[in-house]
Amino acid sequence: GNSVTQMEGPVTLSEEAFLTINCTYTATGYPSLFWYVQYPGEGLQLLLKATKADDKGSNKGFEATYRKETTSFHLEKGSVQVSDSAVYFCALSTYGGSQGNLIFGKGTKLSVKP
Amino acid sequence: KAGVTQTPRYLIKTRGQQVTLSCSPISGHRSVSWYQQTPGQGLQFLFEYFSETQRNKGNFPGRFSGRQFSNSRSEMNVSTLELGDSALYLCASSLTGVDSSYNEQFFGPGTRLTVL
Repeated sequence: GNSVTQMEGPVTLSEEAFLTINCTYTATGYPSLFWYVQYPGEGLQLLLKATKADDKGSNKGFEATYRKETTSFHLEKGSVQVSDSAVYFCALSTYGGSQGNLIFGKGTKLSVKP
Repeated sequence: KAGVTQTPRYLIKTRGQQVTLSCSPISGHRSVSWYQQTPGQGLQFLFEYFSETQRNKGNFPGRFSGRQFSNSRSEMNVSTLELGDSALYLCASSLTGVDSSYNEQFFGPGTRLTVL
């Protein structure tokens, strides 16, 4: 079946450090891929998305490229800030570009120290 | 525009009881999806409603049910609560949901259910 695997946390970085959170997926067909962020006490927010191979999603300095050959969608940011501290979820959907029935990874907690 | 609202935010119940959670989608959104979030299992899809009909369902027992009203508001019900039902229940709304080319899901803050 379809599944998402992302690196276990927690991840602790100093401000301005480079961030990578690995995400790989298994899916039949051609999934759309997403990164969501969850701040403490809040629901999920869509951070970025990619709907086909080689697409690059980007938002707020975060980027991820849909790599079909390696079935990966790693999240990167060149310089993290304390305000980026949150839990990050990689997710996929196999319903075209829509997000009905999202399948999530376990989440990676990021803590950024000043 | 108001976001997705969920009530109540926190709930404590005992085993064997039943519970009803409510979700009000963003105005104009017709699709509502429910997810369960636990430390062990992570985020899991429960079901999706569109135009008062359940359109998609995850792999949960029949104790978990839901419905959607004509104004798109949705409720989910869990009967005969078990300790393992303790979780954060998240609701998400989108314009039309699964069958459209792209519809972002907007999540509410969740209802934290604790079963004692």
